[in-house]
Amino acid sequence: GQNIDQPTEMTATEGAIVQINCTYQTSGFNGLFWYQQHAGEAPTFLSYNVLDGLEEKGRFSSFLSRSKGYSYLLLKELQMKDSASYLCAFMDSNYQLIWGAGTKLIIKP
Amino acid sequence: GAVVSQHPSRVICKSGTSVKIECRSLDFQATTMFWYRQFPKKSLMLMATSNEGSKATYEQGVEKDKFLINHASLTLSTLTVTSAHPEDSSFYICSARDQREFNEQFFGPGTRLTVL
Repeated sequence: GQNIDQPTEMTATEGAIVQINCTYQTSGFNGLFWYQQHAGEAPTFLSYNVLDGLEEKGRFSSFLSRSKGYSYLLLKELQMKDSASYLCAFMDSNYQLIWGAGTKLIIKP
Repeated sequence: GAVVSQHPSRVICKSGTSVKIECRSLDFQATTMFWYRQFPKKSLMLMATSNEGSKATYEQGVEKDKFLINHASLTLSTLTVTSAHPEDSSFYICSARDQREFNEQFFGPGTRLTVL
């Protein structure tokens, strides 16, 4: 079967670093996505990993290990505007996105 | 980047009426569009996958006669909620897949539907 799991909520301090983990199980895999969603808004694309390793994009980095079914999103130099939900999703063999429930990230001053 | 628009952004309607939501890809052609709904503090739930010129594929548990989807062109898909009821109140989001960027989906801003 298919499933995907991420923590429900995390809290971090402004200026710090936070890592949001995502684990998944699937027989067919075409990549792992991370999206950011602010309350009341649609998701916006952050990153896409299809090969193992770390992809860095400014303050945000995403890591993938296909053998472990594991990904993480790393946010550095946290800002108050980073308070949002972070959704991980993998693309299955039918090129359909399977979504996690999202991790609500709370940033404290 | 690719832009997807949705209209209307908010709609309030009476129970029993029908509501149409439009999803447009503004600067790219989308052979496939997806319709999601999202309840407060919950993740996205895929309702249906819409392919241009063919019938939509609905997810299990989604009533195709209640949620009518039409994907008449490469830039427009519509979702019509027929005979809306208060339990249909939700945040409806469409996304579109760019033919050239096969693995990426671009999301519309969403439509907040409130049924009184």
